[in-house]
Amino acid sequence: GAVVSQHPSWVICKSGTSVKIECRSLDFQATTMFWYRQFPKQSLMLMATSNEGSKATYEQGVEKDKFLINHASLTLSTLTVTSAHPEDSSFYICSAVRGTGPSSYNEQFFGPGTRLTVL
Amino acid sequence: LAKTTQPISMDSYEGQEVNITCSHNNIATNDYITWYQQFPSQGPRFIIQGYKTKVTNEVASLFIPADRKSSTLSLPRVSLSDTAVYYCLVGDNTNAGKSTFGDGTTLTVKP
Repeated sequence: GAVVSQHPSWVICKSGTSVKIECRSLDFQATTMFWYRQFPKQSLMLMATSNEGSKATYEQGVEKDKFLINHASLTLSTLTVTSAHPEDSSFYICSAVRGTGPSSYNEQFFGPGTRLTVL
Repeated sequence: LAKTTQPISMDSYEGQEVNITCSHNNIATNDYITWYQQFPSQGPRFIIQGYKTKVTNEVASLFIPADRKSSTLSLPRVSLSDTAVYYCLVGDNTNAGKSTFGDGTTLTVKP
């Protein structure tokens, strides 16, 4: 159990276009999902916290108008990179949190990642 | 969020036991310690999690001293396929497990 999928696994787009990445928890419900970005040879950088039914919370330095996050259901969060530019090329990873509340630890399960290349 | 510090890299040979230590001096009372493994171009994969003392599962052991300011991931008899980046995370349960990834430790297992 606890499988998280991402679609697409890779995408190549032209500069100026928008790209949507989906993150799904396949066998559990996740009120919280996280979006990360990872550049080559670097660690994962948290971009935002996606909360089902409410606005996402962005980390400092992440442009909320450029990286649109929607968490419309308990199993799906989407990240849309708007007006993508070559510097947005990166590996985007989501995680979904499975937990039962403050009395137990909320485990993060990670998706396989999406490789975005902007030409 | 508690900051973690790990060695940048480690080398080992097949069949050896590998111990990777993580420092988390400002760990909070409610924080758990979780270790992940990441291969290139893949998402992190859960290895083990603990709160205190020792935890063991089928792939690793986690040792946490009484003060919880550090933890050690122990991988018994590593193989070439264990070559990966290992991350230690300290999770704040009040933020749904929101954690900050440190730099991780790149483990290279040699034949």
